[in-house]
Amino acid sequence: RKEVEQDPGPFNVPEGATVAFNCTYSNSASQSFFWYRQDCRKEPKLLMSVYSSGNEDGRFTAQLNRASQYISLLIRDSKLSDSATYLCVVNGLSGAGSYQLTFGKGTKLSVIP
Amino acid sequence: DAMVIQNPRYQVTQFGKPVTLSCSQTLNHNVMYWYQQKSSQAPKLLFHYYDKDFNNEADTPDNFQSRRPNTSFCFLDIRSPGLGDTAMYLCATSRTGDNEQYFGPGTRLTVT
Repeated sequence: RKEVEQDPGPFNVPEGATVAFNCTYSNSASQSFFWYRQDCRKEPKLLMSVYSSGNEDGRFTAQLNRASQYISLLIRDSKLSDSATYLCVVNGLSGAGSYQLTFGKGTKLSVIP
Repeated sequence: DAMVIQNPRYQVTQFGKPVTLSCSQTLNHNVMYWYQQKSSQAPKLLFHYYDKDFNNEADTPDNFQSRRPNTSFCFLDIRSPGLGDTAMYLCATSRTGDNEQYFGPGTRLTVT
């Protein structure tokens, strides 16, 4: 079983649509959870952290269910500029005492005019 | 202001010809990471430095080496690149106890 699994995508949605991405992780000892955004041929950039209580940042809402080891990202009122690959990322403490990120393969979103 | 800088941004090398990629940071972070990201795949951690301590991932090929001469700089050496090493190489930094990693823009390496 892969450590972090995401919807395969791609998602092609019209402007203004609501789109949801899902992610599951296998390591129950994982401590922190994130969504990163990666534009084509660019580096990943942190979009938002994910908390059990759920968190919202403008049009973006992230949820974590530790019992199910499931993470979600909801994007409302999609914009053309939201087109990117969204990476589900899980963070856990390594044996060396530093945090290691494990990335999902990403889900590609294309917002269409 | 650039915080994590990678050079070069693009590199073409021949099969078997050693290549060195560099990363520098102005954040004074004590942890530095090297990731390999192939097309349409997740970034894969190759190794990281926790201060001066080097930590290699179990499945990182011996062909890949790293040096960290000081806090600010870290290098990735590929001793004998193969065609399968064509990828984006990402450097990232973080602080002890801080979950977030800060990525550089990456070096896109092509092995011909």
